[in-house]
Amino acid sequence: EVQLVESGGDLVQPGGSLRLSCAASGFTFSSYWMSWVRQAPGRRLEWVANIKQDQSEEYYVDSVKGRFTISRDNAKNSLYLQMNSLRAEDTALYYCARGTSLIPNYMDVWGKGTTVTVSS
Amino acid sequence: EIVLTQSPATLSLSPGERATLSCRASQSISSYLGWYQEKPGQAPRLLIYDASNRATGIPARFSGSGSGTDFTLTISSLEPEDFAVYYCQQRQRWPLTFGGGTKVEIK
Repeated sequence: EVQLVESGGDLVQPGGSLRLSCAASGFTFSSYWMSWVRQAPGRRLEWVANIKQDQSEEYYVDSVKGRFTISRDNAKNSLYLQMNSLRAEDTALYYCARGTSLIPNYMDVWGKGTTVTVSS
Repeated sequence: EIVLTQSPATLSLSPGERATLSCRASQSISSYLGWYQEKPGQAPRLLIYDASNRATGIPARFSGSGSGTDFTLTISSLEPEDFAVYYCQQRQRWPLTFGGGTKVEIK
């Protein structure tokens, strides 16, 4: 079964750091672009970042540039999101998602998400 | 950033009825628009990519159309499992952006 399972979400103070992980199974992880997408309570989905199969390309939404870093370990079938200098507006459910094989900027497999809460 | 505006916010229909959802882009995005379905407690599911192409395993009752700035998702005859929130997403330009969603609820 194709599956993505996120972990690492927590309650963190403003200015703090957190590292999210996503474990992939059931498909050849190294063959796909991967993304992080978040959804704050009552708000629309927001794409955060994505990364190419070989890590040669990364893209970020402006609001997280310089604070968040996406990475992957193809040997461990894992995707990561290092989040630094966290702000209240980063509070959200964070999804890990797989880019489609044909067009990687659409996402055809999603995890169930991990919750990040930034609050003092 | 390209802003996607979906309408209506809520659509109240009965099973068997036709649903027509709209997504309008703030600038031309050619045909680079996708549609997702999201149900409570579940992850989003890709339905349509590049305006009119059904994703793998998506029933034929779902269809997409449009180009430029105006797009439509049509569900020809609503099944009970189709009552959900639907989002559009563009890939024309970074950052990738989503619409605000349309909730299709049972009338």
